[in-house]
Amino acid sequence: GIQVEQSPPDLILQEGANSTLRCNFSDSVNNLQWFHQNPWGQLINLFYIPSGTKQNGRLSATTVATERYSLLYISSSQTTDSGVYFCAVWDMYSGGGADGLTFGKGTHLIIQP
Amino acid sequence: EAGVAQSPRYKIIEKRQSVAFWCNPISGHATLYWYQQILGQGPKLLIQFQNNGVVDDSQLPKDRFSAERLKGVDSTLKIQPAKLEDSAVYLCASSLGRTETQYFGPGTRLLVL
Repeated sequence: GIQVEQSPPDLILQEGANSTLRCNFSDSVNNLQWFHQNPWGQLINLFYIPSGTKQNGRLSATTVATERYSLLYISSSQTTDSGVYFCAVWDMYSGGGADGLTFGKGTHLIIQP
Repeated sequence: EAGVAQSPRYKIIEKRQSVAFWCNPISGHATLYWYQQILGQGPKLLIQFQNNGVVDDSQLPKDRFSAERLKGVDSTLKIQPAKLEDSAVYLCASSLGRTETQYFGPGTRLLVL
């Protein structure tokens, strides 16, 4: 099946800093989503971005499908940005007919005040 | 718009006992997913429903896990008998249709002693 690798695994930043999280995937994808899992475990949708660039406030994401990677940018970090960021993909050819997302292991982000 | 609802939020049982989780997807969402998230890992798909039919249950341990989605709306996931390694967060997600953005519920944290 498709492999998803996220880097870095851990990131500690001061409030106000900018960060870039990376997601590499092993095959072409038809769906890519970025999630933020907050300290209470809730998975929050950030972006649905199988290709191109999107922005939402301080967050933006870019997926270069031909090169099989996606980047999540967080600008002017706040303590509430802390948590785990997951990249998840779906590939119609390796999913066996299913549409379940394959998740990476996540990037654990800590924003210190 | 109400999100995906799950209950209970927490459950502690002893091994070999049975347990059931409930999920109510976003209104109008035809596709429903159950994921298992073990501590420190990304969620892993257990089963996918399209309306009240199963699309894929290849990752569901069928000797102990079962799931149903009667009438194509609510869904229940059952474990009987539970094992220690079933301790995890069970997440329900829904989407308008296959391959579209998935929205996750708050999850049920299961601890098997």
